[in-house]
Amino acid sequence: AQSVSQHNHHVILSEAASLELGCNYSYGGTVNLFWYVQYPGQHLQLLLKYFSGDPLVKGIKGFEAEFIKSKFSFNLRKPSVQWSDTAEYFCAVNAKGNNRLAFGKGNQVVVIP
Amino acid sequence: GAGVSQSPRYKVAKRGQDVALRCDPISGHVSLFWYQQALGQGPEFLTYFQNEAQLDKSGLPSDRFFAERPEGSVSTLKIQRTQQEDSAVYLCASSLRGGAGVEKLFFGSGTQLSVL
Repeated sequence: AQSVSQHNHHVILSEAASLELGCNYSYGGTVNLFWYVQYPGQHLQLLLKYFSGDPLVKGIKGFEAEFIKSKFSFNLRKPSVQWSDTAEYFCAVNAKGNNRLAFGKGNQVVVIP
Repeated sequence: GAGVSQSPRYKVAKRGQDVALRCDPISGHVSLFWYQQALGQGPEFLTYFQNEAQLDKSGLPSDRFFAERPEGSVSTLKIQRTQQEDSAVYLCASSLRGGAGVEKLFFGSGTQLSVL
């Protein structure tokens, strides 16, 4: 079964700082990779996804993530955060041919104006 | 509807009580998923439907948990004889297509279940 690790559960940073959230997964086969975001009081929504092709994927709101197969990683980045990026971020992995997502524990990100 | 709708939004149950949680997916979505999210954790897969067929229920934690989607749209997650460890947010998600693989999931706001 696949598992997902997210470190630094709580992240506090100032506006305009850069953000990088790590995501590592354990599964030896082909995977689909996702980052979901949950803004305060809202439901989970897709931020970006990787299925195949260019390992650097761009999502909404200036976020991007890079798939490094050799490191089993799919780290999320944003060069300059805004107060509105305050949210919880979840990395998720799906083994191809499987119908379930395995989520990490999430990163609670607080951006101070 | 515009999104995935779940009801009730909050449910408080006494230990031993049965509860039923409802999910209205986006109209026309073939796939429907239930996830359980404990406090401070990420969502954990419970079960998956393709139309009315429950294709994967391997994530259900015990035989007290039962899910159905009889007409391939609305789904109900039932928990019998609730225990304190069942306290969690129960999330429903739907996606347009069926078959293997997980495309973009649309999540509801969840039902927060508290068992006293």
